[in-house]
Amino acid sequence: DVKVTQSSRYLVKRTGEKVFLECVQDMDHENMFWYRQDPGLGLRLIYFSYDVKMKEKGDIPEGYSVSREKKERFSLILESASTNQTSMYLCASTFPGAYEQYFGPGTRLTVT
Amino acid sequence: ELKVEQNPLFLSMQEGKNYTIYCNYSTTSDRLYWYRQDPGKSLESLFVLLSNGAVKQEGRLMASLDTKARLSTLHITAAVHDLSATYFCAGEESSGYALNFGKGTSLLVTP
Repeated sequence: DVKVTQSSRYLVKRTGEKVFLECVQDMDHENMFWYRQDPGLGLRLIYFSYDVKMKEKGDIPEGYSVSREKKERFSLILESASTNQTSMYLCASTFPGAYEQYFGPGTRLTVT
Repeated sequence: ELKVEQNPLFLSMQEGKNYTIYCNYSTTSDRLYWYRQDPGKSLESLFVLLSNGAVKQEGRLMASLDTKARLSTLHITAAVHDLSATYFCAGEESSGYALNFGKGTSLLVTP
């Protein structure tokens, strides 16, 4: 059974703080993704990675960076959190050519 | 770039009624996905549609794909309250890569 876990379900941070969101998958998936979900906007892709140490920008990368040092772990970093980054963050993983993306439970981040 | 549009964005329907959610997409998509999301929860995969004419059914939900019209539909038959949730469709420009999501349809089924 595929499992994608995220380090926190709820997180409250202050403006200007550096924030780390961690995602771990246990199925040896090459591809991992970070999405952001906001009401009325659906899910938007922030960054994705096809392999260790590889990363690609998605549709809304500004204000974010990522790190993938190990295959199973994909981290999203907010270098200096701002209130407009208050959102639900969802991590997903899959194999290239696979029929499904597996989503983590999400992290609801509030920046005050 | 693949763009996905869903309609309606909000849907309130009575129990026992039928309704259809529409998902249009702008360019060729390898696959079309439907997900369900309950409040505060993550996404649950409902259907993956792989080819033109594909139809899949699970309980009161049936999804179909018309690649020529670039249209997928999610049909709800005899709605029940348990189907209240947000439904997303998503396309995929290349298999195994990032999904492009619609904005979601928030469905409320009332007695």
